[in-house]
Amino acid sequence: ETGVTQTPRHLVMGMTNKKSLKCEQHLGHNAMYWYKQSAKKPLELMFVYNFKEQTENNSVPSRFSPECPNSSHLFLHLHTLQPEDSALYLCASSQAGLSYNEQFFGPGTRLTVL
Amino acid sequence: KQEVTQIPAALSVPEGENLVLNCSFTDSAIYNLQWFRQDPGKGLTSLLLIQSSQREQTSGRLNASLDKSSGRSTLYIAASQPGDSATYLCAVNTGANSKLTFGKGITLSVRP
Repeated sequence: ETGVTQTPRHLVMGMTNKKSLKCEQHLGHNAMYWYKQSAKKPLELMFVYNFKEQTENNSVPSRFSPECPNSSHLFLHLHTLQPEDSALYLCASSQAGLSYNEQFFGPGTRLTVL
Repeated sequence: KQEVTQIPAALSVPEGENLVLNCSFTDSAIYNLQWFRQDPGKGLTSLLLIQSSQREQTSGRLNASLDKSSGRSTLYIAASQPGDSATYLCAVNTGANSKLTFGKGITLSVRP
């Protein structure tokens, strides 16, 4: 595997379900990000992790719970979501702490909440 | 608060045309600016990154320029091809926390 991978690629869940999105980066980076892309809206940053520590929470509702067990893996745990949470969720990684910090994105998980 | 604008939202051109995609941002205190390409239903592919100290970057048929003082960047695509059809997103990095602020993108269609 190369680059940034995300699983699953598609997910349909009910509002009472609990599911998790997984992201893995194979680039030796130490910063990882979750973004949300909704129709007709710009990509929105959700969370930032640097060296496994959360350094940014962009006012995200608590029904989204991120987890970063190591610099290569990032999870987004989902519970009691709403239909308006349906979107493309993108993971990215980069080198932390540098002004040159190109972000590399995964293919995304298309989430549909029924 | 940083805001990024990309106008127009959609553009259709005939194959072979040279074209310019525009991006503007409100706060000139940026670390860098990145141009991405997104195909329908897919993730983002990084095209070019311009550091705040640079004026332009080139990769193949693509050239991106940055005028930080005026809050503008352009992506120039030479000799456009149908395979260039995609959404092009501009994003600025405004902090050491690598926070990217995105525009809504320009959906480009290159007609054969």
